[in-house]
Amino acid sequence: GAGVSQTPSNKVTEKGKYVELRCDPISGHTALYWYRQSLGQGPEFLIYFQGTGAADDSGLPNDRFFAVRPEGSVSTLKIQRTERGDSAVYLCASSLRDRGPTDTQYFGPGTRLTVL
Amino acid sequence: AQTVTQSQPEMSVQEAETVTLSCTYDTSESDYYLFWYKQPPSRQMILVIRQEAYKQQNATENRFSVNFQKAAKSFSLKISDSQLGDAAMYFCAYRGNQFYFGTGTSLTVIP
Repeated sequence: GAGVSQTPSNKVTEKGKYVELRCDPISGHTALYWYRQSLGQGPEFLIYFQGTGAADDSGLPNDRFFAVRPEGSVSTLKIQRTERGDSAVYLCASSLRDRGPTDTQYFGPGTRLTVL
Repeated sequence: AQTVTQSQPEMSVQEAETVTLSCTYDTSESDYYLFWYKQPPSRQMILVIRQEAYKQQNATENRFSVNFQKAAKSFSLKISDSQLGDAAMYFCAYRGNQFYFGTGTSLTVIP
């Protein structure tokens, strides 16, 4: 597609459940980023991939959060044993490469996660 | 640690007027990039303008321009001839070894 897409757009789950959030980056973009945006806040960095590997996962809050990008394109953010504090909008972005003049990140519309 | 500060939670501007949104950042890195993103109610972040730290010339994109003061670590956004469609949350962002966003400024455009 022309832009970054994320599915689902909204996800409601119960505390303790497992969820997967999907991101389809712009075709050809090698870098992919995940952010979490809580209400009234700016995006908070979680993890970024260069190709298939997680180049920096220092923003993941704890071991309940995990992300994969097995073929260097689509990425899935996985959250185990969800907690009410995980409720937020999860944003994905991609860029042509990491760092340099082509580092402009293009964002998807986000997935709003609500944990009841 | 790098931080990005936007000290204006809300701003308003009359249509066709000019408004400036403030942003300061703290870093010990020498190589970095600065961005302004716009986030309308639809939630999708849209890049407004970017500035490479090594460039002294201020970036300009049509009605949007920045005042980049590297020594002062200041990166303000000026919107000229404001339009109703400019109403949104504006986030200042820093990209060094990691990416940091400010808390945003909500811009209202008054017809």
